[in-house]
Amino acid sequence: DVVMTQSPLSLPVTLGQPASISCRSSQSLVHSDGNTYLNWFQQRPGQSPRRLIYKVSQRDSGVPDRFSGSGSGTDFTLKISRVEAEDVGVYYCMQGTHWPWTFGQGTKVEIK
Amino acid sequence: QVQLVESGGGVVQPGGSLRLSCAASGFTFRDTGMYWVRQAPGKGLEWVASIWYDGSHPSYADSMKGRSTISRDNSKNMVYLQMDSLIFEDTAVYYCAKDGWGSLDYWGQGTLVTVSS
Repeated sequence: DVVMTQSPLSLPVTLGQPASISCRSSQSLVHSDGNTYLNWFQQRPGQSPRRLIYKVSQRDSGVPDRFSGSGSGTDFTLKISRVEAEDVGVYYCMQGTHWPWTFGQGTKVEIK
Repeated sequence: QVQLVESGGGVVQPGGSLRLSCAASGFTFRDTGMYWVRQAPGKGLEWVASIWYDGSHPSYADSMKGRSTISRDNSKNMVYLQMDSLIFEDTAVYYCAKDGWGSLDYWGQGTLVTVSS
């Protein structure tokens, strides 16, 4: 199975400051169809996961533009340009290229 | 709008069984693959099982293989997860999620399964 490794696992951030989460895969996530199926999910406290980003950098409808995804191959990043209080929660990357789909361990974002 | 509503969770003794259900609406269910993902208390997300749009190709995580069965009823817009021989480590919130082409684009609110003696 593809191993997804996130860092850091805990990310204290000052309100209004940027935040960055790394996600690395144990093998390339480029699919035979040419797409890279790397997703980011946000899970706020007490809520179910919500997809933020799909195919590396495509933002879901309603997701603030302070969230952005980038990367290629095995190395991916989720960036929050200016952290707001509502961004507190755990963020997961997930690959949908190789079966079975696998998740990263999660990164907990909290306010300093 | 897309809605996924899970039910069927509860407290069960080790070795017992539970059948989880997920009611789907707001999209063309019969054209869509469906998934179950679980989250143990304080832990991360783990894919459990999936099924193609037509009920074919059921797949299971190694942790659930041989102890669970995923199925669906396209006439009722329902997907199910039958879990048998439950163990303590199966304690988790179980989420139903919708296929989004290499992704899971919508999730339900989850149903809690507690395995306890």
